[in-house]
Amino acid sequence: QVTLKESGPVLVKPTETLTLTCTVSGFSLSSARMGVSWIRQPPGKALEWLAHIFSNDEKSYSSSLKSRLSISKDTSKSRVVLTMTNMDPVDTGTYYCARTYFFDGVVRVFDYWGQGTLVTVSS
Amino acid sequence: QSVLTQPPSVSAAPGQTVTISCSGSTSNIGNSYVSWYRQLPGTAPKLLIYDNNKRSSGIPDRFSASKSATSATLGITGLQTGDEADYYCGSWDSSLSAGVFGGGTKLTVL
Repeated sequence: QVTLKESGPVLVKPTETLTLTCTVSGFSLSSARMGVSWIRQPPGKALEWLAHIFSNDEKSYSSSLKSRLSISKDTSKSRVVLTMTNMDPVDTGTYYCARTYFFDGVVRVFDYWGQGTLVTVSS
Repeated sequence: QSVLTQPPSVSAAPGQTVTISCSGSTSNIGNSYVSWYRQLPGTAPKLLIYDNNKRSSGIPDRFSASKSATSATLGITGLQTGDEADYYCGSWDSSLSAGVFGGGTKLTVL
């Protein structure tokens, strides 16, 4: 059974750095053509893809947030970590991690999602 | 502003059929796979359709999808009140090197 679970702070202050962890089970972060993406959703708004990391350690970031994001993985611990610097109230929302199937370097589908974690940015 | 364009809302009566459109460009839908997700209120998105038209495990055949050029369509037949949710299309954009989603469509079953 594939599961993903996000963890991290519920509340962060403006200018602080957010660190979120996605712990996965039911698959390996070294599985061929598998990876993990981070996707966020501001309250009442649409989904926004942030970043992904593939099993071959290839990484990609949203161009609008690239300077603030960093993604890494610890295969032995089945964890993927996303950091976002200089948090702002507009970054408030639910952050999801999702298992990502890719082929030829292209994402094909986000097939399993975590439950999400709500992050509020406020002083 | 989402890269993929969906209608904000659609509605239909129970038992009826509804379609949800998703419009993109040659850099995303036109050259990549489309997937569809359903998000019930207060829950995480769930995969419905992948590879343009393949139903995910456990998804009934009331749900179908197609892709043509730079657009995709999700169809739901035999609408049930439990189908009320937000529906999102997703794809990969080769120009942006990024995952992209539509703005979401809220389905109301009247």
